[in-house]
Amino acid sequence: DQQVKQNSPSLSVQEGRISILNCDYTNSMFDYFLWYKKYPAEGPTFLISISSIKDKNEDGRFTVFLNKSAKHLSLHIVPSQPGDSAVYFCAAKRGNNNDMRFGAGTRLTVKP
Amino acid sequence: DVKVTQSSRYLVKRTGEKVFLECVQDMDHENMFWYRQDPGLGLRLIYFSYDVKMKEKGDIPEGYSVSREKKERFSLILESASTNQTSMYLCASSLWGRQRNTEAFFGQGTRLTVV
Repeated sequence: DQQVKQNSPSLSVQEGRISILNCDYTNSMFDYFLWYKKYPAEGPTFLISISSIKDKNEDGRFTVFLNKSAKHLSLHIVPSQPGDSAVYFCAAKRGNNNDMRFGAGTRLTVKP
Repeated sequence: DVKVTQSSRYLVKRTGEKVFLECVQDMDHENMFWYRQDPGLGLRLIYFSYDVKMKEKGDIPEGYSVSREKKERFSLILESASTNQTSMYLCASSLWGRQRNTEAFFGQGTRLTVV
């Protein structure tokens, strides 16, 4: 039973537009959330994170929003660039437990 | 530059073979993890370790074991490989602790095919 869910397997956007990737979780004990980006034949790389005490964290073109009551987070990429084309994984951790649980991933394609 | 290195990029093994996947990190991280990635299922945690000789089961430990004799090295062992263990295996490491600066760093992955 997946505790972290990404219900959209793929997303396609035009270069320069906003990309919004969504993630839902079921375990209310999760208190730290991360987004990873993965290119083919490479390991995932960390992108951005957010603590449960915040509702927004911004880093350049990337912003993560957290809605704790809905158990939902989203990653916004503005403006989207062709180099952003990759698979994006949402992950969650709880307390001092250091094991992360991941979603199934969303494949983002940014068209020139 | 942080580094997590997996010993092989590609492996082909026969059903029933004992398979060792090795992972080494050079960041002095306490935590190390083994995940497998399958289409539509994302990354699923097999085992993790938060200290030398310590291990914890993840969500799908069946058919696997692990070994951590040194802080920098974490091995995944398939006791008797089966075709349903054909997958991409990813090793990761992280600092221990709450929240900040504890994101995991991943190796490049090992694509294992069991025939």
